[in-house]
Amino acid sequence: KAGVTQTPRYLIKTRGQQVTLSCSPISGHRSVSWYQQTPGQGLQFLFEYFSETQRNKGNFPGRFSGRQFSNSRSEMNVSTLELGDSALYLCASSLDLGGQAFFGQGTRLTVV
Amino acid sequence: GIQVEQSPPDLILQEGANSTLRCNFSDSVNNLQWFHQNPWGQLINLFYIPSGTKQNGRLSATTVATERYSLLYISSSQTTDSGVYFCAVVYAGNNRKLIWGLGTSLAVNP
Repeated sequence: KAGVTQTPRYLIKTRGQQVTLSCSPISGHRSVSWYQQTPGQGLQFLFEYFSETQRNKGNFPGRFSGRQFSNSRSEMNVSTLELGDSALYLCASSLDLGGQAFFGQGTRLTVV
Repeated sequence: GIQVEQSPPDLILQEGANSTLRCNFSDSVNNLQWFHQNPWGQLINLFYIPSGTKQNGRLSATTVATERYSLLYISSSQTTDSGVYFCAVVYAGNNRKLIWGLGTSLAVNP
């Protein structure tokens, strides 16, 4: 079956703009998590959705938001982009909260 | 909150060598997962291993939940094993969120 799909793969934006990233989980998976990874850093947890509800949230400013649709697909939005938002954004899906996590290939965002 | 510590932070091997990576955690967990991130950023789930031992080819993992650690064994390492290995646990509390270690960066030289 298809894996986790993230779109787009690469993105270049200008400071002050906003961006929306998309994640389609593995079929049947109801939990989607988002992470930010900057060069040489570990994974910073953004938020986790299950059944269209945000269940966990990391320590990121309100400029970072997300949502999950009834088909479990998820989007995350970053408003008023800053240079420091340049990173690899990773999405993971699992059957349930805290279940075995499978990652997409990520979206590389560059803010100039 | 629960702490997850991985060791060593960095490791350099010659192709064909064996290695052991360790993950210690400070509290009871519901599950533990090992991941490999390749140099292009792709994260692969290697093992879902709340307890016991599992093997997958040249890789195996053992989790001793009562002693709060897990080990990842890599045998006959290959250059394609290079990358960062992460351990992540789900705390036996209420929020079932994955808590991540900082990773072990592995370089396998030909």
